[in-house]
Amino acid sequence: GNSVTQMEGPVTLSEEAFLTINCTYTATGYPSLFWYVQYPGEGLQLLLKATKADDKGSNKGFEATYRKETTSFHLEKGSVQVSDSAVYFCALSPGGYNKLIFGAGTRLAVHP
Amino acid sequence: GAVVSQHPSWVICKSGTSVKIECRSLDFQATTMFWYRQFPKQSLMLMATSNEGSKATYEQGVEKDKFLINHASLTLSTLTVTSAHPEDSSFYICSALDSPTDTQYFGPGTRLTVL
Repeated sequence: GNSVTQMEGPVTLSEEAFLTINCTYTATGYPSLFWYVQYPGEGLQLLLKATKADDKGSNKGFEATYRKETTSFHLEKGSVQVSDSAVYFCALSPGGYNKLIFGAGTRLAVHP
Repeated sequence: GAVVSQHPSWVICKSGTSVKIECRSLDFQATTMFWYRQFPKQSLMLMATSNEGSKATYEQGVEKDKFLINHASLTLSTLTVTSAHPEDSSFYICSALDSPTDTQYFGPGTRLTVL
């Protein structure tokens, strides 16, 4: 079946620290992979996506590379800001379908 | 980016009553919309896929007679929770698929509390 596993949070960092949030997946076929972010009190927003192996998605300083060999899509940012505090969701869309399967979410708290 | 709205943003109702939640794509047409449920500090669970002009496709374990979905136009899908009970209290989130970009845009969610 299809599933997404994310590292458990919360993740607490100081401003300007390096961020990694791990995400691995199991899927049949060739899924597309996504990172969504949910800021406090707001709806989910697409952060970045990758549709095939070795693609790198990037946005707002965040990036993630679709690694088929390790079935991973880890989210990274070189220098986090307080405004990055949010819940981050890794998700996949099975090949040929539009529905999204989400990981459990990882809460990030960045302190000044 | 594209905007999806939900109404109401929160609702409190008595047990046994029905509640309707609207999901609208404001600046694009969506033949496909999705309804999710999110429990506190947990992930989103897909409930059903709503297709304009046809019956919704429900995920395993979701009661279609309890969660009625109507997708009557390319910009509006509704979820009606019928005969609501306290265990239906949750955060309901919709998304609309922008086909040209193959991207789902999410609404801000509706918090339902059943007393």
